[in-house]
Amino acid sequence: GAGVSQTPSNKVTEKGKYVELRCDPISGHTALYWYRQSLGQGPEFLIYFQGTGAADDSGLPNDRFFAVRPEGSVSTLKIQRTERGDSAVYLCASSRGLAYDTQYFGPGTRLTVL
Amino acid sequence: AQRVTQPEKLLSVFKGAPVELKCNYSYSGSPELFWYVQYSRQRLQLLLRHISRESIKGFTADLNKGETSFHLKKPFAQEEDSAMYYCALSGGSNYKLTFGKGTLLTVNP
Repeated sequence: GAGVSQTPSNKVTEKGKYVELRCDPISGHTALYWYRQSLGQGPEFLIYFQGTGAADDSGLPNDRFFAVRPEGSVSTLKIQRTERGDSAVYLCASSRGLAYDTQYFGPGTRLTVL
Repeated sequence: AQRVTQPEKLLSVFKGAPVELKCNYSYSGSPELFWYVQYSRQRLQLLLRHISRESIKGFTADLNKGETSFHLKKPFAQEEDSAMYYCALSGGSNYKLTFGKGTLLTVNP
């Protein structure tokens, strides 16, 4: 079946602009995760959804970052007033939501803030 | 706080040689450990996890709680093993992963 998909694959924006990044999880997966990977680093956790609710948003760096998953499937990561330091690859992953279940990753969205 | 350390950014071996990628972790409870791999131009994917105790593509990893390590090993490296390897830890009820910075393995012919 289809894996996790993310759009766009690349996004270039100017400092101060607003961006939305979309994630389509594997059908039936109740858990959805967002991670951010900066150059030379491993992925860093941002937020975790179980169904429609954000069960853990402790990784969001500040209030410019927000994510939603209104119907328990597709999720959108929203970044307001982008800064150059937001430039990174944003990864989405989904799983069945069971303990220590495999997380399946999408290809990522490369965000560049000029 | 949970932390994963991969001390080697780069590791280069010859085909047929043994390979060991090091991973140390810090976690106050009882974590679950994973190895993820990213081949060139592919997405991040699970290689193996401790709870399954399985061998994937000839790789194994043993959890050493005394040394808080989860090193990845393969007795005979192949060129197709060249990739970026990430060690990851999951603890608590939300299953989020904490990753190390990764080790780039290059297997030379």
